[in-house]
Amino acid sequence: NAGVMQNPRHLVRRRGQEARLRCSPMKGHSHVYWYRQLPEEGLKFMVYLQKENIIDESGMPKERFSAEFPKEGPSILRIQQVVRGDSAAYFCASSPRQRGSYEQYFGPGTRLTVT
Amino acid sequence: QKEVEQDPGPLSVPEGAIVSLNCTYSNSAFQYFMWYRQYSRKGPELLMYTYSSGNKEDGRFTAQVDKSSKYISLFIRDSQPSDSATYLCAADILTGGGNKLTFGTGTQLKVEL
Repeated sequence: NAGVMQNPRHLVRRRGQEARLRCSPMKGHSHVYWYRQLPEEGLKFMVYLQKENIIDESGMPKERFSAEFPKEGPSILRIQQVVRGDSAAYFCASSPRQRGSYEQYFGPGTRLTVT
Repeated sequence: QKEVEQDPGPLSVPEGAIVSLNCTYSNSAFQYFMWYRQYSRKGPELLMYTYSSGNKEDGRFTAQVDKSSKYISLFIRDSQPSDSATYLCAADILTGGGNKLTFGTGTQLKVEL
């Protein structure tokens, strides 16, 4: 059973470009979460999605960031017009989130560097 | 005040020692607690999860939750050099504003030969 997959693992963008990060959840999981980890800081929640629905985006910056989880295909976190402060590790997690099973499994992350 | 507090360490122990890692939390609505291990430049790996107060054991790992004092612990028996990593505690409200993990900043553990 494959784990959570993320690609690319490393992404370099110049200021002003767009970054697209992809996440495929574990088989059988329909709940996807995105977290950001800044250097020397803990993981911070960004957004929670189910297929075709954004459930909770309370951790997302108001501008430039968006997320989707289409009916077919991976979840995508999109950052428009990147700035240096967006440089971080972005992790996706998935969960079965059903009765008695709410744990979250993380992918290997995408390390975004903005030059 | 952060909702989940964790001593950053570093914590250095000799091989074979019992390790105690701890977190405190302030939000009494937290119901579900998890421990993750994260190696440098890797994703967090789920070690243990617990739903209520009490102990849960899995191999060399024991997770303990005391909701009355808002204290969660992870014990590692017979620690090995391969246990050297950052350990993250996390909590989830689950309902009514939940659906997300709140993490501590992590404790860096080094197990020395």
